[in-house]
Amino acid sequence: RKEVEQDPGPFNVPEGATVAFNCTYSNSASQSFFWYRQDCRKEPKLLMSVYSSGNEDGRFTAQLNRASQYISLLIRDSKLSDSATYLCVVNLDTGRRALTFGSGTRLQVQP
Amino acid sequence: DAGITQSPRYKITETGRQVTLMCHQTWSHSYMFWYRQDLGHGLRLIYYSAAADITDKGEVPDGYVVSRSKTENFPLTLESATRSQTSVYFCASSQGSNTGELFFGEGSRLTVL
Repeated sequence: RKEVEQDPGPFNVPEGATVAFNCTYSNSASQSFFWYRQDCRKEPKLLMSVYSSGNEDGRFTAQLNRASQYISLLIRDSKLSDSATYLCVVNLDTGRRALTFGSGTRLQVQP
Repeated sequence: DAGITQSPRYKITETGRQVTLMCHQTWSHSYMFWYRQDLGHGLRLIYYSAAADITDKGEVPDGYVVSRSKTENFPLTLESATRSQTSVYFCASSQGSNTGELFFGEGSRLTVL
């Protein structure tokens, strides 16, 4: 089982749609959670952190469910510019002081 | 411009040759990382460094060597390149190990023939 798992997609949605991605992680002791965005053939960039109480940044909402060991990202009112791969990132607390990335979920927003 | 830069951006080499990918950051971040990205695997950690002269293995260190004699530089060397090392390599830096915000370079695309 992968340490951080994501549905690879692609998710093809029309502009204005709401789309949600989930990500599961293996280590229940994990402390930190993030969503990164990666455009085609570019470097990943931090989209938002995920806090225990859930958090929102404009059209983006991130939630954490520790009991089920998953995090989610909800995008409302999708824009063409949201087309990208979204990477779930977890600090697995395995003693290795680095972040572990999921394989990513590809989103294609269509006009 | 300040930031994190990688070189070369593109490299084609042959099996068995030594290749060094360079990474330079101007933020004085303590932590630096090397990841490789392959289809189906996402980003996998090769090596990381908490400070100058401190390095540690990641998930896939075999076949790679790193050094960190200066805070700003973190070169990655493939001592004898193999076809399985064809990949996109990303260097990243962060202020701490748990801040969550990694700053990535633009990547180095390596092809091993």
